[in-house]
Amino acid sequence: GEEVAQTPKHLVRGEGQKAKLYCAPIKGHSYVFWYQQVLKNEFKFLISFQNENVFDETGMPKERFSAKCLPNSPCSLEIQATKLEDSAVYFCASSQSNGGARTQYFGPGTRLLVL
Amino acid sequence: KNQVEQSPQSLIILEGKNCTLQCNYTVSPFSNLRWYKQDTGRGPVSLTIMTFSENTKSNGRYTATLDADTKQSSLHITASQLSDSASYICVVSAGLTGGGNKLTFGTGTQLKVEL
Repeated sequence: GEEVAQTPKHLVRGEGQKAKLYCAPIKGHSYVFWYQQVLKNEFKFLISFQNENVFDETGMPKERFSAKCLPNSPCSLEIQATKLEDSAVYFCASSQSNGGARTQYFGPGTRLLVL
Repeated sequence: KNQVEQSPQSLIILEGKNCTLQCNYTVSPFSNLRWYKQDTGRGPVSLTIMTFSENTKSNGRYTATLDADTKQSSLHITASQLSDSASYICVVSAGLTGGGNKLTFGTGTQLKVEL
């Protein structure tokens, strides 16, 4: 497809519950990026993939966050034991490559609310 | 630490008027600078991308400038329309050792165009 698809659009979890978010990149794009945007503030980089391999995970809170991009499946971002501060919009983006001035195309985001 | 600062934080203008948004950055090593438009409840959409050697780039009524010496960029919107109401985000890309880019996002300028 020509758009990055993210599901679900909205997700509500009680503190301590698990949350799993999905992203289908644009067909033909080999790079996937996950970002967290809290309260319309700046985007925080979480992790990037080159195909199914982790490319850069320096932004990931490793204790509770994990992510995968498996062949023939949507990419996923999972948060174990959610905390109130995890409430944010999680954006997925994809690009053809990660070099030079390649555009990253963003999905519509998943709004996670932790109560 | 890489940083991107934008001004003003918010702006209200009348339809048909022009406006200019500012972006200052300290990102090293600089790779490219991007302007994104983010409508409420949507993911960011790329407007322009400029590399070190480019000092201006246009996309319809949007014109971005880049001064790599002073590390400043501006986004000029001509003949504003109601649909220009959105957050405009300056994003600077740093080149990674071993290849690839990492994006640093500004907090955005919230633009409202009124009748």
